[in-house]
Amino acid sequence: ILNVEQSPQSLHVQEGDSTNFTCSFPSSNFYALHWYRWETAKSPEALFVMTLNGDEKKKGRISATLNTKEGYSYLYIKGSQPEDSATYLCARFGGNEKLTFGTGTRLTIIP
Amino acid sequence: DTAVSQTPKYLVTQMGNDKSIKCEQNLGHDTMYWYKQDSKKFLKIMFSYNNKELIINETVPNRFSPKSPDKAHLNLHINSLELGDSAVYFCASSVRDRSSYEQYFGPGTRLTVT
Repeated sequence: ILNVEQSPQSLHVQEGDSTNFTCSFPSSNFYALHWYRWETAKSPEALFVMTLNGDEKKKGRISATLNTKEGYSYLYIKGSQPEDSATYLCARFGGNEKLTFGTGTRLTIIP
Repeated sequence: DTAVSQTPKYLVTQMGNDKSIKCEQNLGHDTMYWYKQDSKKFLKIMFSYNNKELIINETVPNRFSPKSPDKAHLNLHINSLELGDSAVYFCASSVRDRSSYEQYFGPGTRLTVT
């Protein structure tokens, strides 16, 4: 994998259901993996920053895992609510001191 | 108590003009960035400054010139604007720490070149 890739590109989930999506990234020269939540007409806000293989982080109903050896991270949302509707961005921080963003997963929660 | 602020929020201008976008952060961070959100909603780094020193300069036309008068400010000046410069430009700041680099984003400036 040469770039940061996210899948799916978009997702519609019924309110109350749980969901997850994936971020794949180059595993070489890895420093950190970021997840951001980006609501329409607002700016991205950090959810998690993970650095170690096997890291798991949780914030309320949202959690994330990290596998640096194979180069992927999952974001999980439990019991989706309408306010979870947003674009979720992951970004890889490598040794060149810059964040490379994926194109995001656009999540829409259906009431 | 705005953390990262940008002005203006909207900028409509004609081709060939020169314009500036200003960014200020009050978080005490030592590193600031400019990102461009392109037509496909993709966020791409343009520049990064650490304590007024340029540390990242991506392949950006030299019509774009960042200026950092101090570590709390990073302005973006664009000369001879072209139609393709139309985009949303986001400023961000962080602490230069290899364990984090968590970005705090400004509200964005929507630039429209006509």
